[in-house]
Amino acid sequence: DGGITQSPKYLFRKEGQNVTLSCEQNLNHDAMYWYRQDPGQGLRLIYYSQIVNDFQKGDIAEGYSVSREKKESFPLTVTSAQKNPTAFYLCASKGRETQYFGPGTRLLVL
Amino acid sequence: EDKVVQSPLSLVVHEGDTVTLNCSYEVTNFRSLLWYKQEKKAPTFLFMLTSSGIEKKSGRLSSILDKKELSSILNITATQTGDSAIYLCAVGNTGTASKLTFGTGTRLQVTL
Repeated sequence: DGGITQSPKYLFRKEGQNVTLSCEQNLNHDAMYWYRQDPGQGLRLIYYSQIVNDFQKGDIAEGYSVSREKKESFPLTVTSAQKNPTAFYLCASKGRETQYFGPGTRLLVL
Repeated sequence: EDKVVQSPLSLVVHEGDTVTLNCSYEVTNFRSLLWYKQEKKAPTFLFMLTSSGIEKKSGRLSSILDKKELSSILNITATQTGDSAIYLCAVGNTGTASKLTFGTGTRLQVTL
């Protein structure tokens, strides 16, 4: 099956803890993106990567970090510096024309 | 800063009704406007519009772009309960990063 997978589906974070959200794609896409979605708000761009070993900050990068060591994988770490991490996180990759989304990870704070 | 505004924010209709969702934008170097449908999880792609006045159609859904008015509409005819979702509008610019700016979405609920 071709597509984008995200894990876990739900993630609980304790205060002061770093957590990592996984995003994998087997679509052979170069560009990948991380978005955050809060209730009543649209998707906001956290980080994006156009090619392996390269990534740029989006509009709300503070408190997050990423890596892009492989074309297929673009993990997002939510650090303890992110004071309001509770949200729905969506990963996307870009095909020829459009972005395609994974199923998302819901992050909750204990 | 690129900006996308959708209206209405939410809408409740009866099955069989026709609805029109609106999207207006301000973007530097416009490239495309996209519509997505989001049920419980991942947004799924509906349409991409790049040229003014050309209607894109898929079943009961259709969309058109007006570059002069910097806006787009998404029409759904003969609505069904399965159309209940958040409809997201996004615009892309001509930058190499292919970044999208999203609106807040329109929440559509179709009742029996």
